Amino acid sequence: DIQMTQSPSSLSASVGDRVTITCRASQSISNYLNWYQQKPGKAPKLLIYAASSLQSGVPSRFSGSGSGTDFTLTISSLQPEDFATYYCQQSYSTPRTFGPGTKVDIK
Amino acid sequence: QVQLQQWGAGLLKPSETLSLTCAVYGGSFSGYSWTWIRQSPGKGLEWIGEINHSGSTNYNPSLKSRVTISVDTSKNQFSLKLSSMTAADTAVYYCATTRLIAAAGVNWFDPWGQGTLVTVSS
Repeated sequence: DIQMTQSPSSLSASVGDRVTITCRASQSISNYLNWYQQKPGKAPKLLIYAASSLQSGVPSRFSGSGSGTDFTLTISSLQPEDFATYYCQQSYSTPRTFGPGTKVDIK
Repeated sequence: QVQLQQWGAGLLKPSETLSLTCAVYGGSFSGYSWTWIRQSPGKGLEWIGEINHSGSTNYNPSLKSRVTISVDTSKNQFSLKLSSMTAADTAVYYCATTRLIAAAGVNWFDPWGQGTLVTVSS
């Protein structure tokens, strides 16, 4: 199985901050990397697919980059509704696997 | 706009079989694959398996001996059965649509069902 790691596991930030979350795969996965946002009691919501493609309806302050084993999710200017947990997920091979999540909370 | 609605029993005893169903509303049913994912505090998000519109399945090896995913195209529904449940299977279970760009091979999960909390306890 491909192992996914994320850093940091949590972070505290203020509205307007630029936030960067890193995801690393245990082997090269090309651009087969997706990002999801999850709020308490809700299902995960797709933000980014194929490493850098913004899902329709997702604000442009979210962006993704990377290829191979190292990937980044960036929120350019954190908004109140962005406080949530973020997960990366590889779609390169089965079983599909997720990172452990990065919780973004209010400083 | 595809929407998923899922249901099933939320409280099971050890050794019982979990049975969940997910209905697909809006959009095409035959053009996608359909996935089950679970989430527990201890193991995070775990992919259980998927089925495509023709009925071909792909399961997580860690659960393969206990999992059956099936599809009923006449009802636009797909289902999950997980046998021999234990406390370790306690989790929120989600259904999801697997979307892909066939030419590139990339795929992702969107949308997701609302989730079903399944508790295994004697």
